[in-house]
Amino acid sequence: EAQVTQNPRYLITVTGKKLTVTCSQNMNHEYMSWYRQDPGLGLRQIYYSMNVEVTDKGDVPEGYKVSRKEKRNFPLILESPSPNQTSLYFCASSFGLAVYNEQFFGPGTRLTVL
Amino acid sequence: DAKTTQPNSMESNEEEPVHLPCNHSTISGTDYIHWYRQLPSQGPEYVIHGLTSNVNNRMASLAIAEDRKSSTLILHRATLRDAAVYYCILRPYQTGANNLFFGTGTRLTVIP
Repeated sequence: EAQVTQNPRYLITVTGKKLTVTCSQNMNHEYMSWYRQDPGLGLRQIYYSMNVEVTDKGDVPEGYKVSRKEKRNFPLILESPSPNQTSLYFCASSFGLAVYNEQFFGPGTRLTVL
Repeated sequence: DAKTTQPNSMESNEEEPVHLPCNHSTISGTDYIHWYRQLPSQGPEYVIHGLTSNVNNRMASLAIAEDRKSSTLILHRATLRDAAVYYCILRPYQTGANNLFFGTGTRLTVIP
């Protein structure tokens, strides 16, 4: 089954404790991205990657890092999480950047930073 | 980026058609109209997209006004599983970041 998977689905952590949220897709998609969803703000893009070793900032990149060493994986790294990064995070992928390419989203990771 | 306006919420009876409106009066000639939906506790999923002509797929139909300043997503027979937040999104026809701007969308409630 074609899908985007994320782990963990739920995470409660404390301020300053480094964490990684993994994202993997099995569709051989070139494009991957991370969004966060907050009440009243909709989904906002954090980082995106157009291919292996090619990443760039989205709209809200502060406090986050990403890497793209393999085509299928795109982990989101929070080096020193803070309470304002408490949010619902989604990973997404698409075949390419063409305007007609649909994006496939993962099931989400709910992160709470105490 | 061109903006879309949608009602905050709508209700529909099960097995009846649903028409979800979207206004995009500042749409440019090369903006595509995309619809995504987000079921409870799930990630967004693609529904349909179009440029000028009306479009149909297995999930829904998309009716685009002749002046392209508005569009309507049509669910022909609403089921309980269609209860979700529906997002109308404009995507410019240009390469670059594949950022989807999700507004607040329309929350659809389906009444059994």
